[in-house]
Amino acid sequence: DTAVSQTPKYLVTQMGNDKSIKCEQNLGHDTMYWYKQDSKKFLKIMFSYNNKELIINETVPNRFSPKSPDKAHLNLHINSLELGDSAVYFCASSQETPGAGNNEQFFGPGTRLTVL
Amino acid sequence: KQEVTQIPAALSVPEGENLVLNCSFTDSAIYNLQWFRQDPGKGLTSLLLIQSSQREQTSGRLNASLDKSSGRSTLYIAASQPGDSATYLCAVSRNKLVFGAGTILRVKS
Repeated sequence: DTAVSQTPKYLVTQMGNDKSIKCEQNLGHDTMYWYKQDSKKFLKIMFSYNNKELIINETVPNRFSPKSPDKAHLNLHINSLELGDSAVYFCASSQETPGAGNNEQFFGPGTRLTVL
Repeated sequence: KQEVTQIPAALSVPEGENLVLNCSFTDSAIYNLQWFRQDPGKGLTSLLLIQSSQREQTSGRLNASLDKSSGRSTLYIAASQPGDSATYLCAVSRNKLVFGAGTILRVKS
């Protein structure tokens, strides 16, 4: 039974297009995250939502817009895609907020985005 | 600004060896430290989480220690197996997770 799932697994698109990545968790967690892993494999937080409220918003271009319709879902919409957006995007969830000591995070399988 | 460094960047060992992966961080004001493994083309699997008040955590052949005051953690893998081959990531958390660049481990059979 998949705990954190993402769709699609692979996404290939042209520059300038708009695309969305979906994430769902069935762990009953209150907090969800989006991370970006670049070509050098370095992972960095982008956004975090707790109970559908945005709690972390790193320095990310406003072409990226997260949306949380409910606690179990956190989608990422990207407008006007650029070559530099090519990366693997990971969704994660945790029961606690990032400021809690027991904030164990569980990750999805990732979405590999390639912008041509 | 928190920075996390992992040493070595890559490690190749014969099967059966015990090994240690190192992680250091610049700001000791953390709430916890988490170790993950990442297999090629896959997501991250949580291995161990150590809260700031704890010194170590164990799971099977894995033991992670935390010395918050010196900004260091180690992940000890006993009796390594080829299936342990993966990238191991260390991440520290205060208000967000900050990751190191990882150690690529190869266990040769």
